[in-house]
Amino acid sequence: GAGVSQSPRYKVAKRGQDVALRCDPISGHVSLFWYQQALGQGPEFLTYFQNEAQLDKSGLPSDRFFAERPEGSVSTLKIQRTQQEDSAVYLCASSLTWSSYEQYFGPGTRLTVT
Amino acid sequence: AQSVTQLGSHVSVSEGALVLLRCNYSSSVPPYLFWYVQYPNQGLQLLLKYTSAATLVKGINGFEAEFKKSETSFHLTKPSAHMSDAAEYFCAVTSDSSASKIIFGSGTRLSIRP
Repeated sequence: GAGVSQSPRYKVAKRGQDVALRCDPISGHVSLFWYQQALGQGPEFLTYFQNEAQLDKSGLPSDRFFAERPEGSVSTLKIQRTQQEDSAVYLCASSLTWSSYEQYFGPGTRLTVT
Repeated sequence: AQSVTQLGSHVSVSEGALVLLRCNYSSSVPPYLFWYVQYPNQGLQLLLKYTSAATLVKGINGFEAEFKKSETSFHLTKPSAHMSDAAEYFCAVTSDSSASKIIFGSGTRLSIRP
């Protein structure tokens, strides 16, 4: 079956540009998570949705980062005025219910800010 | 605050040898613990999870892990390494403040020598 998909897989942005990263979760999954994975590090939590509600955005590093999931399915992570420190792999994950600890991860979007 | 420490950023074993990847955690409440595997250019895949049932947890691909509360450890083992086990492995724990948030360790890269 279809897993979590993310697009684009690779994105190069010039410093100061805005970017939008898309996540298509597994159909019917209630919860959706965004993580940032710097080179050589483990994923770090950014934000979490239950359906369309953003319940936790404590991991977003600055107000330049914004995430939405307006219809409770597809989600977009937007980064405004990108900086070099934003270069990382951005991972999306989904889980079936709010109480499910089994998260299914997408392949990630590798963002390089030049 | 909870945290995860993975001892050894890189482990190398011979094909057929025992694999032991170490993970220690800190948590003020009974945790749920996970091991994820990440192959190059792919998303994370759940290997196994501990959710307060049996302390010895069996996962996919012949891996298992034992939850030891007294040692605050959750080490991952496999009796006989296979070349296809070469990947990055991440230990993770649920957050004290939010059951939906997962805290990852920095990862251990496993290499298999022929």
